[in-house]
Parts: sequence; structure tokens; C-alpha cells
Amino acid sequence: GAGVSQTPSNKVTEKGKYVELRCDPISGHTALYWYRQSLGQGPEFLIYFQGTGAADDSGLPNDRFFAVRPEGSVSTLKIQRTERGDSAVYLCASQEIAGPTDTQYFGPGTRLTVL
Amino acid sequence: DQQVKQNSPSLSVQEGRISILNCDYTNSMFDYFLWYKKYPAEGPTFLISISSIKDKNEDGRFTVFLNKSAKHLSLHIVPSQPGDSAVYFCAARSSGAGSYQLTFGKGTKLSVIP
Repeated sequence: GAGVSQTPSNKVTEKGKYVELRCDPISGHTALYWYRQSLGQGPEFLIYFQGTGAADDSGLPNDRFFAVRPEGSVSTLKIQRTERGDSAVYLCASQEIAGPTDTQYFGPGTRLTVL
Repeated sequence: DQQVKQNSPSLSVQEGRISILNCDYTNSMFDYFLWYKKYPAEGPTFLISISSIKDKNEDGRFTVFLNKSAKHLSLHIVPSQPGDSAVYFCAARSSGAGSYQLTFGKGTKLSVIP
């Protein structure tokens, strides 16, 4: 079946602009995660949704970052007033049931470049 | 502070030989460990996992070993194949943390030489 998809695959923007990154999880998966991978680093957790609600947003770096999942499926990560340090690959993962042994399936990521 | 460490940025192995990738962790609350494989321009793909109640888990050519007392785990690939060339990430999570978020190492780039 279809995996996790993310759009756009690449996004180039200027410092100070607003961007939205979209994640389409695997159908029926209730849990959704956003991670950010900077150059030379492993993915770092940003936010977790169980259904429509953000159950854990402790990884968001500051209040310029916000994410929604209004219908419990598609999620959008929103970044305001982008900075050059926001440049990274943003990864989305979905999980059938939020549990300790359930696998997280990752999308291909959106590469964000802030000029 | 890196809670999951992969101290070898890269590893080269001859085809057919064993590849051993190492990972150390510092957080004693971690009780579930995973290895992900990543090809360029793709997302990480789940490879194998192990619970802290076990010390070994095997799946085909892939075996993960866990040494809880040393807070160390390793991934063995045998025999290594050229298609195994990728970046391998070690990840860990705590069942006590409600979100089951993964904490990743920086990755080890494996090159299998034909």
C-alpha cells in the first residue's frame, strides 16, 4: 500500500518568509510525528499527534513553529519568519497505534532551504 | 547532550564479510531500541528492533545485540552485500515517555565494497 508522503520534496524560501510543509500518513495510522534532520545529524523529534491533538510538542524549538492535524489524518507543519538555521530536512512518520513496540514509518522528507 | 551516540561516522566492509555497527546510549530510561537504514533522498526505513528484556534479536542477515549493563548495542550484518550500503541510524525510546518519540544517533555510513 501507499507509504507516508510529504510535499513539497524541496522548498527554497527567503529569510523571514512563512512556509507550510505537508504530511500524508499511511491510511488508518492514528499517530503522527514530525522530526527535523540537520546536516550531519540524526533526526530530532519536534511534535507528536495522537489523532487530532498535539499530545507532545516538547521538541518544537520556539513559537515560530506550529503544526496541525485537523481531521486526524493529514498534518501541516508551519514555520513563521523563517531563519537560515531552519534549513534542514523535515521528516514525517506515522504509526498505526501509539505504542512502545509499534514501528514508525517515515516519509521521504521535505528539504527546506532558507536563503 | 547526545543521549544516543554512534561514534563511527563511516565504515567500509568487503562484500561477503561481516559489518558491525555500534551504538551507545546514556539514558537508562530507554527500553526499546531500533535500527533504521537510510538511502539518499529517502526517509529512514525500519530494519530491526530489540526490547530491553532481550539481549539478541535476529532477522535474516541482521542481528542486533543489546548489552544493558554497558548501555551498548550493535547491529551485525552477515554476509554484507553492496545493497546494504546506506546510512544506519540507531534509535531509542522510553515506554514511560507517553509520546514514544525516537531519539536518534548521528548515523554511520556503511559502504560495502564489491
